[in-house]
Amino acid sequence: DTAVSQTPKYLVTQMGNDKSIKCEQNLGHDTMYWYKQDSKKFLKIMFSYNNKELIINETVPNRFSPKSPDKAHLNLHINSLELGDSAVYFCASSRGSTRVDTIYFGEGSWLTVV
Amino acid sequence: GQNIDQPTEMTATEGAIVQINCTYQTSGFNGLFWYQQHAGEAPTFLSYNVLDGLEEKGRFSSFLSRSKGYSYLLLKELQMKDSASYLCAVREKSGGNNRKLIWGLGTSLAVNP
Repeated sequence: DTAVSQTPKYLVTQMGNDKSIKCEQNLGHDTMYWYKQDSKKFLKIMFSYNNKELIINETVPNRFSPKSPDKAHLNLHINSLELGDSAVYFCASSRGSTRVDTIYFGEGSWLTVV
Repeated sequence: GQNIDQPTEMTATEGAIVQINCTYQTSGFNGLFWYQQHAGEAPTFLSYNVLDGLEEKGRFSSFLSRSKGYSYLLLKELQMKDSASYLCAVREKSGGNNRKLIWGLGTSLAVNP
């Protein structure tokens, strides 16, 4: 009954490969996010979707492409992986329409590019 | 987070009280969150402040002063399991109805026996 689930949890891949991380939430939330947390533990938003519509797109290389087939899913595809892409990627969701708007995180996907 | 400052590390003793401070600068303040993150796990929600004052929730309390751009998280009766990183995050308005969370780098708290 995981509220926000993402797969895979661990991913080791070579430079230049293309990989995807999938995310699903069963909370009925309207807004979903992708965050990147680097080795310095800085949590940085990458993308935010509200009802399948992109609302936040931070300065992220266009090798990163989010896809939201419906409001319960937000997948992240990464092309031509680079060493610097190694990080933990967190999917998250929130109601998006309330004052408190608490964000709920998935368990994270540990990406290592070698 | 370039606009949010919090200490990098803190150490405290089991059973004691610790206060983790957070200062911020933002153009459109819309609330402040505290999250806890254990090593190797996802951040989890602790508290939310949007008005000045103290919000208490069990052993944890969070305080906000909007005029000073300042918040603190107070942890009482520390337990070993409280050893974690504590993230301060400020929500700011980013055009239209959009709001964005800006995260601090987190304070790594070590609780010793």
